[in-house]
Amino acid sequence: DQQVKQNSPSLSVQEGRISILNCDYTNSMFDYFLWYKKYPAEGPTFLISISSIKDKNEDGRFTVFLNKSAKHLSLHIVPSQPGDSAVYFCAARPLIQGAQKLVFGQGTRLTINP
Amino acid sequence: DTEVTQTPKHLVMGMTNKKSLKCEQHMGHRAMYWYKQKAKKPPELMFVYSYEKLSINESVPSRFSPECPNSSLLNLHLHALQPEDSALYLCASSQVGTGAAYGYTFGSGTRLTVV
Repeated sequence: DQQVKQNSPSLSVQEGRISILNCDYTNSMFDYFLWYKKYPAEGPTFLISISSIKDKNEDGRFTVFLNKSAKHLSLHIVPSQPGDSAVYFCAARPLIQGAQKLVFGQGTRLTINP
Repeated sequence: DTEVTQTPKHLVMGMTNKKSLKCEQHMGHRAMYWYKQKAKKPPELMFVYSYEKLSINESVPSRFSPECPNSSLLNLHLHALQPEDSALYLCASSQVGTGAAYGYTFGSGTRLTVV
């Protein structure tokens, strides 16, 4: 059962434009959502997170939006830069006391074209 | 120091070998994790240590044996692995409880090949 889903395996965006990466989830009992960026042969790098009690969090060029009624979150990157080309993973933390696990989506490969 | 260091970066081992993966962090994080990632797949949780005690084992086969000797170190002992265990093994650390707000810090991983 895939609790966190990224339905777009890949996305191509022009440099300078907005990149929008989407993520859906099925479990209402997640208390935090996180976005990670991953280059080949490296570990995931944390980008931004959002608490389930918020609907928006912004950090520089990165903004995450959470729509709890739709069980959907998105990551906006603006303006997109060539260095943003990577695989982006959405992750969620279950709201279970003492739980420290993260559940990852399948990832979306973002390519920024010059 | 804001890094998680994993050694070795690459490891090739036979199915009868015993080897260990090592992970170290000096950020004062008291939760540490092992994840496994196969090609074109998301990271999958294997183990969680919280305050040096095993808190989550995601039904991992006993040929994988984790160990947390102290708050900075995490090991993964490997024995009698199968070729399908070949993957990127990622270590991560975080604060307990509030870690999700600040992100879990991942190491660069150990690329394991079982022959």
